[in-house]
Amino acid sequence: DTGVSQDPRHKITKRGQNVTFRCDPISEHNRLYWYRQTLGQGPEFLTYFQNEAQLEKSRLLSDRFSAERPKGSFSTLEIQRTEQGDSAMYLCASRSGWNEQFFGPGTRLTVL
Amino acid sequence: DAKTTQPNSMESNEEEPVHLPCNHSTISGTDYIHWYRQLPSQGPEYVIHGLTSNVNNRMASLAIAEDRKSSTLILHRATLRDAAVYYCILRDIIQGAQKLVFGQGTRLTINP
Repeated sequence: DTGVSQDPRHKITKRGQNVTFRCDPISEHNRLYWYRQTLGQGPEFLTYFQNEAQLEKSRLLSDRFSAERPKGSFSTLEIQRTEQGDSAMYLCASRSGWNEQFFGPGTRLTVL
Repeated sequence: DAKTTQPNSMESNEEEPVHLPCNHSTISGTDYIHWYRQLPSQGPEYVIHGLTSNVNNRMASLAIAEDRKSSTLILHRATLRDAAVYYCILRDIIQGAQKLVFGQGTRLTINP
């Protein structure tokens, strides 16, 4: 499968725990995005990487959130001290040039 | 970010054409009109995009009004697999990150 992959697909955690999600973009894509989607809403932009550089962050990305793309390939999104309001689907997308964004299947986070 | 307005839901029958409207009265000259759709339990997927002229691809057609303040996504012959949430999005081609700003979209139901 040469699409965008995300791991894990589901994560259940207790409030206050840290979680980390991974995204593997399509191999030749140098641009990578993270979005968050809550139930019944459209996805909301969180952050954008071009190669390894994080070029844009949404105000939604609080201090508890950090994203990295260390070698310009895969990316991780970490949430520290999770809160119930963090429960959502976290989507990763990638693209190259002016092409469209290709989305992964998402990681569904449930914070108890 | 320029906003779009779509009906919350629409319903159609299998093998019939579907016309999904979108209003974007504040569109700027550098905004492309994009359509993505999200099937249940999946990430969004690209459908089609255009600037001024009508566009066709294997999935759908996009009809753009002459003043560009509205557009219509046309599924020529709906199948049950077309049941999804359809998002109309304006993407500013000169905006650095090229992030997608999703609204709530139109939930399309296809009756057998």
